[in-house]
Amino acid sequence: GAVVSQHPSRVICKSGTSVKIECRSLDFQATTMFWYRQFPKQSLMLMATSNEGSKATYEQGVEKDKFLINHASLTLSTLTVTSAHPEDSSFYICSASSLPAEAFFGQGTRLTVV
Amino acid sequence: AQRVTQPEKLLSVFKGAPVELKCNYSYSGSPELFWYVQYSRQRLQLLLRHISRESIKGFTADLNKGETSFHLKKPFAQEEDSAMYYCALPVYNFNKFYFGSGTKLNVKP
Repeated sequence: GAVVSQHPSRVICKSGTSVKIECRSLDFQATTMFWYRQFPKQSLMLMATSNEGSKATYEQGVEKDKFLINHASLTLSTLTVTSAHPEDSSFYICSASSLPAEAFFGQGTRLTVV
Repeated sequence: AQRVTQPEKLLSVFKGAPVELKCNYSYSGSPELFWYVQYSRQRLQLLLRHISRESIKGFTADLNKGETSFHLKKPFAQEEDSAMYYCALPVYNFNKFYFGSGTKLNVKP
C-alpha cells in the first residue's frame, strides 16, 4: 500500500512558540490530506481537510488561526500549531489517499508543549 | 449528524474465544463503514471495509441497517489480535473519516 510519512515523530516546544508538522505522501500524489488529533486514550478527531492549492477546510470548533494548514504540493501538507500552549499537547495524525475509500495514515507526531 | 459509537473501551478475552467488537452509527445516507486497527506502536491501518465484504485475519463485519450496526467479529481470537480497534464512517469521497472512540482488545493466553 501507499506510504504516508510524518515529520517529526516527536517534538517538544516551549509555550508560546510555533511548531510545524509535515505530512508527505511518499509514492503517490494526494490532492487532499486530512489532519486528525488524538488525545490520550481517546479517538481520532478530524481537525481539517488540507486541499492542494487552496485553503484548508476546518471542522467545527477547530481554530484555523491556531492550526495553520498549508498544502503547497501534491505530496506535502504542513500543520503549524501557532503560539502553542500545554493544552495543545496531543498526538497529531495525517492521512492521505490517491483513491476514494483508501486512506493511508501517517505514523503520527507527538507534540508536547512545556 | 454523522456519528460512530463504540460502547466498549476495553474488551478482554482468552485466546480461542469468540470476539465481537460493537459499533453503531448514525448517518442519514447509505453508509459505507470501515474498521481500522492500531497495533502497539504502529500506525493506524485498514482492517476491513463493508463495501468489499472481505474477511481479513479472520475478522468479519456485517452492516445491519435495521440496527445501524457494524459489529466486528472473529470466531477464535489470537494473542496477536490484541490492539486498538476503531470503527470509522467515511464522508467526502470516502477519504475523510469520523472515528468511534475505539475499543482496546486484549487477548489473554
